Amino acid sequence: SQELEQSPQSLIVQEGKNLTINCTSSKTLYGLYWYKQKYGEGLIFLMMLQKGGEEKSHEKITAKLDEKKQQSSLHITASQPSHAGIYLCGADNWASGTYKYIFGTGTRLKVLA
Amino acid sequence: DTGVSQDPRHKITKRGQNVTFRCDPISEHNRLYWYRQTLGQGPEFLTYFQNEAQLEKSRLLSDRFSAERPKGSFSTLEIQRTEQGDSAMYLCASSSSRLTNYGYTFGSGTRLTVV
Repeated sequence: SQELEQSPQSLIVQEGKNLTINCTSSKTLYGLYWYKQKYGEGLIFLMMLQKGGEEKSHEKITAKLDEKKQQSSLHITASQPSHAGIYLCGADNWASGTYKYIFGTGTRLKVLA
Repeated sequence: DTGVSQDPRHKITKRGQNVTFRCDPISEHNRLYWYRQTLGQGPEFLTYFQNEAQLEKSRLLSDRFSAERPKGSFSTLEIQRTEQGDSAMYLCASSSSRLTNYGYTFGSGTRLTVV
């Protein structure tokens, strides 16, 4: 079965610093999704990547999917306290006839003002 | 549409009691999912529905767990004879088979504490 590994598990940065979170899959990714979760809340959809080499940006967050489609990175530029939370990568496997997602264990980000 | 709604937000129950959670998806979404999340972990898949049909169930969903989606609208997740290990956040999500580029929309979750 497919597994997603995220690194680092937790991150503390000073406001204004850049940071990168990685998500590595044990199998080829067909759809890779990035979500943000505030503590004790539901998940908020950030971006979806499907094509090898694809890159998407939303405000100060950029996500990339590598050419081999087994690794994705999420980059935050000039971090702010509002970026704090848990970042989760998720993957679907519709090619196997299932529409469920699996998720990584998450990266906990704290931004110090 | 106000998104995916889950009720209740918090539930504290004694071990051995039954509990039921409700999820109201986005009205035009035909797929509905249940996930469970424990502290420090990512969400784990429990089950999903396409319209009223339950298409897949995880092995995590023991005989004590049952989910329904009558008429393909709202869904309920029932846990019978709760155990302390059932304490977790139960997340519901919905999606549309016609809008596959937008991911799931999650509700705010129901936090279950079994004492």
